[in-house]
Amino acid sequence: AQTVTQSQPEMSVQEAETVTLSCTYDTSESNYYLFWYKQPPSRQMILVIRQEAYKQQNATENRFSVNFQKAAKSFSLKISDSQLGDTAMYFCAFMTGGGETSGSRLTFGEGTQLTVNP
Amino acid sequence: DAGVIQSPRHEVTEMGQEVTLRCKPISGHDYLFWYRQTMMRGLELLIYFNNNVPIDDSGMPEDRFSAKMPNASFSTLKIQPSEPRDSAVYFCASRGDRGLSGNTIYFGEGSWLTVV
Repeated sequence: AQTVTQSQPEMSVQEAETVTLSCTYDTSESNYYLFWYKQPPSRQMILVIRQEAYKQQNATENRFSVNFQKAAKSFSLKISDSQLGDTAMYFCAFMTGGGETSGSRLTFGEGTQLTVNP
Repeated sequence: DAGVIQSPRHEVTEMGQEVTLRCKPISGHDYLFWYRQTMMRGLELLIYFNNNVPIDDSGMPEDRFSAKMPNASFSTLKIQPSEPRDSAVYFCASRGDRGLSGNTIYFGEGSWLTVV
């Protein structure tokens, strides 16, 4: 079974600064995907960024980037130039690659509540 | 493209009443998921469908919960009778079968259920 751990229940950052959220996971699979989802107070689950395990290059999406360390099973999210709208709960999630049954279950971490202060 | 569409966004109902949550997945997506989010248990997968067929319903908490997918563009999650402990945010999500959308699950905005 896969597990995802987010060791920082809460974090805060000043507007325009950079913050890094941590995530570690445990799996014996070789083909998998990792995600960061954002959940603002509206409770909507918004995909922030995804990473394929077979890719060595770290994914980036505008101000969001990841540091994917496959051997260490670490997948941290860096938010640059933090904005007030980044205030949200952030979930790290894992999904195995593959077919109908194995490739369809997302395993979530406990979440990190990020607050961006003006 | 339209995302996953859920209704209602918010519902308050009395204990014992039937609740029906609705979902329209992203067009062309073959997989549909129902998740529940509570403070105590976090995000839980209740059931998922592939090509309208239920594949894994092991997360459905009890017989009061049922889910159907009569066609590729519509699914329901029904709770009958509802209880206060069913209060949660219920998410519908979908993913495609290949390519970028084949390996990413996209969520709807959620249905916030309160049972009093």
